[in-house]
Amino acid sequence: DSGVTQTPKHLITATGQRVTLRCSPRSGDLSVYWYQQSLDQGLQFLIQYYNGEERAKGNILERFSAQQFPDLHSELNLSSLELGDSALYFCASSVEGWGGSNGYTFGSGTRLTVV
Amino acid sequence: DQQVKQNSPSLSVQEGRISILNCDYTNSMFDYFLWYKKYPAEGPTFLISISSIKDKNEDGRFTVFLNKSAKHLSLHIVPSQPGDSAVYFCAASAEGTSYGKLTFGQGTILTVHP
Repeated sequence: DSGVTQTPKHLITATGQRVTLRCSPRSGDLSVYWYQQSLDQGLQFLIQYYNGEERAKGNILERFSAQQFPDLHSELNLSSLELGDSALYFCASSVEGWGGSNGYTFGSGTRLTVV
Repeated sequence: DQQVKQNSPSLSVQEGRISILNCDYTNSMFDYFLWYKKYPAEGPTFLISISSIKDKNEDGRFTVFLNKSAKHLSLHIVPSQPGDSAVYFCAASAEGTSYGKLTFGQGTILTVHP
């Protein structure tokens, strides 16, 4: 158990729908990162939050949004879902607003399947 | 544009031998590199990192080598053990250790046979 909790582990939904993925960072970590891993692809950076504020943004689609709440958990909202959004979505966390020499800690991911 | 590439999708090695995983990058601004290991149904786990001011970093059985002129890094595992069988990702940052975003390669599946 890495200490980063992601729910749900699996999600199957239809095209056009909206889903919310949830992430609880390790205790004491202030920064949350979201990554997407599609089939045969490496992890693609989506967005980072630090202590409730957006810190960095990657190639996140406009249909996707995220936020970090006062208790530091984060949610990734995916709307108007398309088949191509099927992927593993990982959350990671770190103490500072950056990764550091020991990387950051990943959760076990949410597998989203859009049918 | 794949800025970090792991050209070998898979590697098979005998237990006790050396495993060498390779990674190439194109962005000359990258100045910090990391390797992650991933088991099925788990998230990636940090393994080892190296700053661009170094050419080698060692941690137990794991050594990472960086060749900046060739824009190439490699991970050596000696000796390889069956428990090392996993997907290995290299990742890079253009912000040193103060990174938020990491750019990942596609991963290499390592299989270590007993």
